[in-house]
Formats: sequence, C-alpha cells, structure tokens
Amino acid sequence: AQKITQTQPGMFVQEKEAVTLDCTYDTSDQSYGLFWYKQPSSGEMIFLIYQGSYDEQNATEGRYSLNFQKARKSANLVISASQLGDSAMYFCAMNGGSQGNLIFGKGTKLSVKP
Amino acid sequence: DTGVSQNPRHKITKRGQNVTFRCDPISEHNRLYWYRQTLGQGPEFLTYFQNEAQLEKSRLLSDRFSAERPKGSFSTLEIQRTEQGDSAMYLCASSLSWGPTYEQYFGPGTRLTVT
Repeated sequence: AQKITQTQPGMFVQEKEAVTLDCTYDTSDQSYGLFWYKQPSSGEMIFLIYQGSYDEQNATEGRYSLNFQKARKSANLVISASQLGDSAMYFCAMNGGSQGNLIFGKGTKLSVKP
Repeated sequence: DTGVSQNPRHKITKRGQNVTFRCDPISEHNRLYWYRQTLGQGPEFLTYFQNEAQLEKSRLLSDRFSAERPKGSFSTLEIQRTEQGDSAMYLCASSLSWGPTYEQYFGPGTRLTVT
C-alpha cells in the first residue's frame, strides 16, 4: 500500500528566508507521481508542483522546487524567499501506476513571520 | 477558464437526514474525484469517475454513500441517513486522464455539519 509521511506538524520561517518541508513516501510501484498542494485557511487546495518517478531533474515552479531523492524515497518541498502569503497548510501526495486517486500526508502548517 | 465549482459551500443537517452535494469539474477534464477531509487530516479518497464510469471506490465509501456522474460532466455525492461522523469537508477535484502530470484541480469544498 502507498503511504505518505510528513513528520513536521508545524514550521516557522522568517519572511524572505527559504524553508524546506519534509515528505517521505512508500510504494512498491515503479511508476508514480509526487505532488505538493497548498491549503490556505480559506480551504481550497492549490496545486503547486509535480515530480514524476522517472524524472531525472528536480521539478521547479517559480519559488517552489522539489528535492527528489528516489533512493531515500523523499520528496521535500523547498520554498525560496518566503512571503507572508505562504502561510498555509502544505500537503504532500502521490499516485501510482494506473491509479487515479491521490494519497495525502497529514500536512505541515507553515507560518511565515514578518 | 473556470475552475472546479461545488455547491453548496456549507450544509448543516440533522442526523438521519439525506444530503446531496454537486460538483462541476473543469469542462475539458474527463476525470472527477471525491475526497473527504476531516480536521487536522489530509484529504482521503472516496471515489473517482472517468467520463461517466465510476472506476474506483474506497472502502471509506459505505453503503450510505452514492456518487453519480450521469453524463460525464457534473457529479453528485449523496449521503443517506447522515451520522455525526460524516461531518467533514467534501472536496471534489478534476483532471485529465492523459498528459505528463495528471495534476488534480480542486474545488472549494462543501463543509458538512451533522447535528
């Protein structure tokens, strides 16, 4: 069975600094996708970034990058130059093979301090 | 390009009543998913459709839950004989079934409170 583990319930970061949110995963599939979503207090889930299991380069999207270490089964999210608007819950998720559904971790609450 | 919409946004019901939620996906997306999210947890998968076919159901989807997507466009999720444990945010998402990433785009959710 697939599983996502996020070990940081909450994180604080100073505005304009970088922060890394941890995510480890477990799967027996060879082909899978890893995703990060942001959930502000308003509740909507916002797609941030995707990494495929066969992608050789780490994914980047603007200030977001995904530090993918396949052998360690980790997919950490790095947010550079944090902004106050980055304060939210962040969820790591994966799908696998032909499965359409996503498996989510419990999330990390990020608070950006001015 | 409109996003995923869900109605109603909030629903308060008494235990034992039936409720129905609606989800309208992004128009060109052929996959539609339902998730449930309780406080302090990540979303949990309930079921998904590809076009009008329901391809997978989680064991979380008890017999009191039923979902439909009759014409491959919008979907409804019905909960019969609601229980207090059904109180949660119900999220709908849509995606394509092809392409490099299959990312799912979520709606704003329907928050259900069962009293």
